Amino acid sequence: AQTVTQSQPEMSVQEAETVTLSCTYDTSESDYYLFWYKQPPSRQMILVIRQEAYKQQNATENRFSVNFQKAAKSFSLKISDSQLGDAAMYFCAYSGTASKLTFGTGTRLQVTL
Amino acid sequence: DTEVTQTPKHLVMGMTNKKSLKCEQHMGHRAMYWYKQKAKKPPELMFVYSYEKLSINESVPSRFSPECPNSSLLNLHLHALQPEDSALYLCASSPHEGIANEKLFFGSGTQLSVL
Repeated sequence: AQTVTQSQPEMSVQEAETVTLSCTYDTSESDYYLFWYKQPPSRQMILVIRQEAYKQQNATENRFSVNFQKAAKSFSLKISDSQLGDAAMYFCAYSGTASKLTFGTGTRLQVTL
Repeated sequence: DTEVTQTPKHLVMGMTNKKSLKCEQHMGHRAMYWYKQKAKKPPELMFVYSYEKLSINESVPSRFSPECPNSSLLNLHLHALQPEDSALYLCASSPHEGIANEKLFFGSGTQLSVL
């Protein structure tokens, strides 16, 4: 079975600074996708960024980028120029051959002035 | 319209009650999902519907009964729930059921309390 581990329950960053959230996963599949979802107090899960395992190039979406290390099974999220609106719970997630997302336990990000 | 709409937003019910949660999308998506999220935990998949047919049931107790009357609507019927079923119930949809869940759209959930 696939597992997703987020070892940082909470992180804090100052506005305009950069923060990196860690995620590791375990799988025996060769074809899979990795995601970062954001869950603000509104409770809606919002897709932040997505990475296909077969792509060597790291995905980027504006201020959000990932560092995907396939051999190490590591998938970290970097948020640049942090904004107050980035404060939320961030979940790393895995999707393989089954039609389901397996989520990590989440990292709560605080953004301070 | 890129929204998944869930109603009600909050629900309090007794253990003998019967209630239903509703989820609606008008994006033409053919796959719809129910997730359960306990406080301070990640979401866990309950059911997947693909083209209005139940595709995945993650061994959910029968007191939860899903229904997909048409491609835009997904219901979750609740009966004889237990207090431990109190949670946030999230609905999601995607264009198709597939390996990537490539663009999963979530609703804002129904916060359920069972007394």
